Amino acid sequence: AQSVTQLGSHVSVSEGALVLLRCNYSSSVPPYLFWYVQYPNQGLQLLLKYTSAATLVKGINGFEAEFKKSETSFHLTKPSAHMSDAAEYFCAVSNDYKLSFGAGTTVTVRA
Amino acid sequence: NAGVTQTPKFQVLKTGQSMTLQCAQDMNHEYMSWYRQDPGMGLRLIHYSVGAGITDQGEVPNGYNVSRSTTEDFPLRLLSAAPSQTSVYFCASRKGSDREGEKLFFGSGTQLSVL
Repeated sequence: AQSVTQLGSHVSVSEGALVLLRCNYSSSVPPYLFWYVQYPNQGLQLLLKYTSAATLVKGINGFEAEFKKSETSFHLTKPSAHMSDAAEYFCAVSNDYKLSFGAGTTVTVRA
Repeated sequence: NAGVTQTPKFQVLKTGQSMTLQCAQDMNHEYMSWYRQDPGMGLRLIHYSVGAGITDQGEVPNGYNVSRSTTEDFPLRLLSAAPSQTSVYFCASRKGSDREGEKLFFGSGTQLSVL
């Protein structure tokens, strides 16, 4: 079955600095990959998704992710962090009718 | 447009009690699912449904029952609550199969404590 592993449970960045969240996947078939964000006391919202149309995927709020088959990675980046980016981020991979999530990475942004 | 609505938002139960978490969506989505979220473990799938009358188990189904009598509703039943079921529960829906890359729409969650 397909799965994802998020490297690092917590990431702390300064406002204006690069945000890099790491996700590696395991899949026997070309995967569908997703990044979701969860703000405090809310449900998850889709940031972006990879469905094989393009390896560099742009999402909402200035985030993007690059699919690298050779590295089995789908890392999420944002060039310049904003205070409003403080949240928990989840990488996910599709498994037919099931979406499997990583353990999550909490991002804190320092002023 | 209400989206996915979950009730209640908070619930405290005693061990052995039963209860039903409600989930309703107004987007005519075929697929609905229940996840539980625990610190350091991400979201784990409990049960899911690909349409009215069809349900199946996810990763952690033990202790939970579901039914799907209508397209709109997908209740989650705890038959005899245990402290291990203390968690935050999310209902999510989407239009079709995730093999098409469809995104999930999430409810705002139910925080359940079992004493």
